This record gives sequence, structure tokens and C-alpha cells, in this order.
Amino acid sequence: GQSLEQPSEVTAVEGAIVQINCTYQTSGFYGLSWYQQHDGGAPTFLSYNALDGLEETGRFSSFLSRSDSYGYLLLQELQMKDSASYFCAVRRLSSGSARQLTFGSGTQLTVLP
Amino acid sequence: SAVISQKPSRDICQRGTSLTIQCQVDSQVTMMFWYRQQPGQSLTLIATANQGSEATYESGFVIDKFPISRPNLTFSTLTVSNMSPEDSSIYLCSVVPGLAGGNEQFFGPGTRLTVL
Repeated sequence: GQSLEQPSEVTAVEGAIVQINCTYQTSGFYGLSWYQQHDGGAPTFLSYNALDGLEETGRFSSFLSRSDSYGYLLLQELQMKDSASYFCAVRRLSSGSARQLTFGSGTQLTVLP
Repeated sequence: SAVISQKPSRDICQRGTSLTIQCQVDSQVTMMFWYRQQPGQSLTLIATANQGSEATYESGFVIDKFPISRPNLTFSTLTVSNMSPEDSSIYLCSVVPGLAGGNEQFFGPGTRLTVL
């Protein structure tokens, strides 16, 4: 089966930096994605890592170590609007060519003024 | 990118009845999925909707309970059959844009279902 672990809650202040870790166990690993979801909203794509290393997109960066089955999402210069749930998700090969996402339990980020 | 619409956005249903949720995408996509999310919880994959063939269901989900149609590359339906209060959840359609697939996956706004 598959399993992903991430912290349930993280709190930080505006302007700070926060790192959300994700460890995973899965077969057919293809890559690690991160999604943001505000209350009542749909998940929105943030980043994707297929290879080891750091990917940077504006204030957000994501890191992957395939050998350690570990990744993290780094949020810099936190803003109040970053308060949301953040999900790591493993993209894996299944049913032939289908590439499916399996989601972690989510991390609720609260940004304080 | 892809713009996804779902109907209905929400519904309240009686136990024992069935509800069909529609998912419409503004462009052709090969990969389309159905997820379920309890409020405050993670997303659970129900099935992969395959165009022109039967859907592929994840463990714990069966076709009799969640029949899926995928008549073309822009549309799919998920039916929640013989509903019980345990089926109360948010149901989300999701696609990988394009026909070749990619790494970014888009989600529809969801259908909030309450079963009494």
C-alpha cells in the first residue's frame, strides 16, 4: 500500500519561513506534488518534484530526496493569505499508464499577524 | 490548464436514493479522476474514469456503489448509489490537462453531498 506522513498543524507569523515535511512509502513512485487548499475551496497545484533537489516557484520551494523517501515544502515571506491546508501527494504508476495521486493527511498552516 | 465545472454544487439527499454528479472540462483530457473528501480530511481516490472503457476503482470502492461514465474526453459522471449518511462528503472531479498528460492536476470545485 501507500502511506504519507506530514505534520497535522503548523503555526507561524507573517514574514517568517515555514517548512512542511512529508515522508512517504509507495510502490511505483513517479514524483511528489504539493497542493494548497483554502477552506471551502478546491485543491490547487503548487509544485511537483520528480528528481532529487530543490524546485523554486516564487515564495514557495519544494524539495525531494528519492533515496530518503522524503520531501518538503518551504514557504517564505509568509502572508496571511497563506493560511490553508497543504497536502503532499505521491504520483505513482498504476493500472498500466495511469498516473494517480495519493494524498497525505494534510497540514493546517496558520499564519499569525 | 483546465477549467472544470461540476453539477450540482451541493445537494441534500435521503438515504436509499442515488445522486449523479456531472463533471465537465473545457478541453480534452485523457486522465480524469474522482476523489472524495470529508470536511477537514484528506482526499481519497475513488476511481480513474477511462474514456471508452470501464473505470478503474481503488480498494474499498466498487462499481455497483459508484458507477462512473466517461462518454468522451471532456465529460464524466459519478453516481453515488443507495446512499447512506456515511456517503456524506465532498466529491471532486480532477483532471490532468491535455492528451499526453503532465504533472499538474486540476480539481473541480466539488459537490458537497449530505445524506439524511
